[in-house]
Amino acid sequence: QVQLQESGPGLVKPSETLSLSCTASGGSISTYYWSWIRQSAGKGLEWIGHISGSGSTSCNPSLKSRVTMSVDTSKNQFSLKLNSLIAADTAVYYCARLRGHLDLWGRGILVTVSS
Amino acid sequence: ENVLTQSPGTLSLSPGERASLSCRASQNVNSNFLAWYQQKPGQAPRLLIYGASSRATGIPDRFSASGSGTDFTLTISRLEPEDFAVYFCQQYGSSPFTFGPGTKVHIK
Repeated sequence: QVQLQESGPGLVKPSETLSLSCTASGGSISTYYWSWIRQSAGKGLEWIGHISGSGSTSCNPSLKSRVTMSVDTSKNQFSLKLNSLIAADTAVYYCARLRGHLDLWGRGILVTVSS
Repeated sequence: ENVLTQSPGTLSLSPGERASLSCRASQNVNSNFLAWYQQKPGQAPRLLIYGASSRATGIPDRFSASGSGTDFTLTISRLEPEDFAVYFCQQYGSSPFTFGPGTKVHIK
């Protein structure tokens, strides 16, 4: 049974870059697509983007200019970078497996943007 | 983008009652690529339904869903205590994928 675990800082300063990783255990990430989603009180659930096991990406146009995604199959891990952070980026960030629908989710990590 | 609206915002029901949740899209959902998720406090969303009407693995058959085009419905035939939660719909037929704002089902 594949499990996903997000990791990264819980507190980031405005204008800085958020770096998150998601590690998959119990299965290879090479086969599927993998997503990042965030959830905030203000905007609800928001799809950030997704990446394939081979590294092809698709991003939400609203965030595209600030998002970089990558995959490291040797570590069975994929990552998200979000730059130029503002307070509105404060949210719980989830990684998930994408099969069109999102059938497997990590537990999420709360990221607060504050000085 | 395809904007999803859900109604009602809140549903007050008793265990054993039937729940009917609506999700409406601003544009046709391509190939009926619509999913429903359940979320409990402090937890990640859990997939219930995909492809508008297919139950995900391990989901009890009291959960059913239907719809096509722009109008979709999730039905819980008889509410169990563990079903009181927030339910979201999501379309993945066109990019960007979008979610509805959710319907909270709480105990009356």
